[in-house]
Amino acid sequence: DIQMTQSPASLSASLEEIVTITCQASQNIGNWLAWYQQKPGKSPQLLIYGTTSLADGVPSRFSGSRSGTQYSLKISRLQVEDIGIYYCQQASSTPWTFGGGTKLELK
Amino acid sequence: EVQLVETGGGLVQPGNSLKLSCATSGFTFSTAWMNWIRQTPGKRLEWLAQIEDKSNNYFISYLESVKGRFTISRDDSKSSVYLQMNNLKEEDTAIYYCTPLQLTTEGPGGFDFWGPGTMVTVSS
Repeated sequence: DIQMTQSPASLSASLEEIVTITCQASQNIGNWLAWYQQKPGKSPQLLIYGTTSLADGVPSRFSGSRSGTQYSLKISRLQVEDIGIYYCQQASSTPWTFGGGTKLELK
Repeated sequence: EVQLVETGGGLVQPGNSLKLSCATSGFTFSTAWMNWIRQTPGKRLEWLAQIEDKSNNYFISYLESVKGRFTISRDDSKSSVYLQMNNLKEEDTAIYYCTPLQLTTEGPGGFDFWGPGTMVTVSS
């Protein structure tokens, strides 16, 4: 199975700050990487798929990138509504696997 | 508007069974590859099973650790997907979600629609 190692596990940032979350795949998954946001008390929502493509309705302050088997989610200017837990997920092969999550809080 | 509603969760004793249902609307269910994913109390997300569409002969994949205990099925006439869970264990305690896999022209995307989930608690 492909392991997804996400870091950091938690992150405290200020409004308007740039935030970066990373995910390391245990093997080559190409661009088959998705990111999700889960707000408190809600179900996960797809943010990014195919490493860089924004899902419908996702603000442009979110972006994704890749360097080898390391993937990054960047929030260019943190807003209050961005608080929650973020997960990466590989879509290369089943079993589809998720990172452990990054809890993003306001400083 | 896409809607998914999971039902059938509850409190069950270890060793017992439970069948979850997921009713959907707002998208073409018959061509969707449907999945069950659970979220543990510690917030970890774990994919459990996938059933592809008729054109792919309803091919099924399972997480190895639930193979033989969990069974995914679908009814295209009802736009519904199911998860039969047998011999439940305390570690199966989680919120269970059904979700379609996004299929792009290049291949699998992500899980683009989620319902509210249904809570399953396995405890004596």
